[in-house]
Order: sequence, then structure tokens, then C-alpha cells
Amino acid sequence: NAGVTQTPKFQVLKTGQSMTLQCAQDMNHNSMYWYRQDPGMGLRLIYYSASEGTTDKGEVPNGYNVSRLNKREFSLRLESAAPSQTSVYFCASSITGGGYEQYFGPGTRLTVT
Amino acid sequence: GNSVTQMEGPVTLSEEAFLTINCTYTATGYPSLFWYVQYPGEGLQLLLKATKADDKGSNKGFEATYRKETTSFHLEKGSVQVSDSAVYFCALSDNDYKLSFGAGTTVTVRA
Repeated sequence: NAGVTQTPKFQVLKTGQSMTLQCAQDMNHNSMYWYRQDPGMGLRLIYYSASEGTTDKGEVPNGYNVSRLNKREFSLRLESAAPSQTSVYFCASSITGGGYEQYFGPGTRLTVT
Repeated sequence: GNSVTQMEGPVTLSEEAFLTINCTYTATGYPSLFWYVQYPGEGLQLLLKATKADDKGSNKGFEATYRKETTSFHLEKGSVQVSDSAVYFCALSDNDYKLSFGAGTTVTVRA
């Protein structure tokens, strides 16, 4: 039981390049989330998927797109990376919303130069 | 909207010292409250939670009580160890899909 896995662990992009961050969970959870973590700001929700087939914007969605590929996988895409997107990105999953614990992946450290 | 305010760090303590990290919240409903911990180089892990007023969450010697009257959820541990060095996040969920996090408090415990 791997929990929540993310790839890659590290990535360096040039401004304007695109990339997709991958996330998968093996806990049969319905809900999945993408956060970014910046110093002194805690974690901020980018997008979430309440259930397979649905996605919704979080607090900071601009510059990102997501795909809920199936119940297990939820990817985050940066179409044209900007230095402001330098951050650590975490994927999480939960049984559902409404106060249930979220389980986090190990994170992807992204640097945009 | 919902928000969480937690004490700023960093906090540096000696082993066996008492740890308190203050957390207060603003929410429109009756949220669930959480403390998450992030060890160096890792993702966040749930440390404890409380889902209604006066509930006490506890785990690994840490405790926090949901105080509705003071809108607080302070984290305490009576005797810290070096292995408790981490970043601690207070968070709330207001019966939807969103967790609102505090900024995090870095705790360093020295032997």
C-alpha cells in the first residue's frame, strides 16, 4: 500500500515551458487535491476533484489545469511556466470531503528559471 | 471566509521542555479542526483532529482541545523530543472539500 505517490520529485523548467505533475493514490479515495506550499504561506489549494469526473477551482487556480484521469490518478499541468510558479507541490486524497483526513504525497519541488 | 492563524516561529526548545503552539480560527459554520506535521523532506501527516466543540484530539503525546468559545485549537506536548522537530500546521475544514491551513510553525528541539 503506497498511499499517495507523486512524480517527479524535482523539476527545473525554463519560463514558458510546460509540464505535467502526476499523482496517484491506491486507497480507493473519492476526492483528490493539488496544493502549493510557499514559505510563510502554508498550503494553498490549487484545484480539487470531489469525485471521479469532476474538478473545481481552489484558491489559486490561475496558470494551472487538472485532469482526473480515473479514480486513482489526478494530474496537474502547467501550460506555460512562470517564475511565480516556483514552489513545492503536494497532491492529497481523502475518502470524501467534509472533515475527513487528507493523505498527502511526498511533494514535487519545482523551480522555474 | 475561513481562515487559520497560528503563532509564528521558529520555536526552539530543549529536550523535555513543554511545547505550546497557538492556533485560532475564523469559520462561518462548525468546522473540523486538524493539526498536521511535516518532517524534513516529507509530505504532511495528520497528527490529530477534533470534529466538534470540546473534543480533545491526541496522538504521540500531543493534545489539542476544540474551544468554540475562544475559536482556538492550541497544540500542546508536555515533554518534547529531538524527533519532534518539524513544521506544524493548524487547519480547518468547514464541511466541504477545502482545508484552510495556517502558515506553519517550525519547531526545533535541541538535545
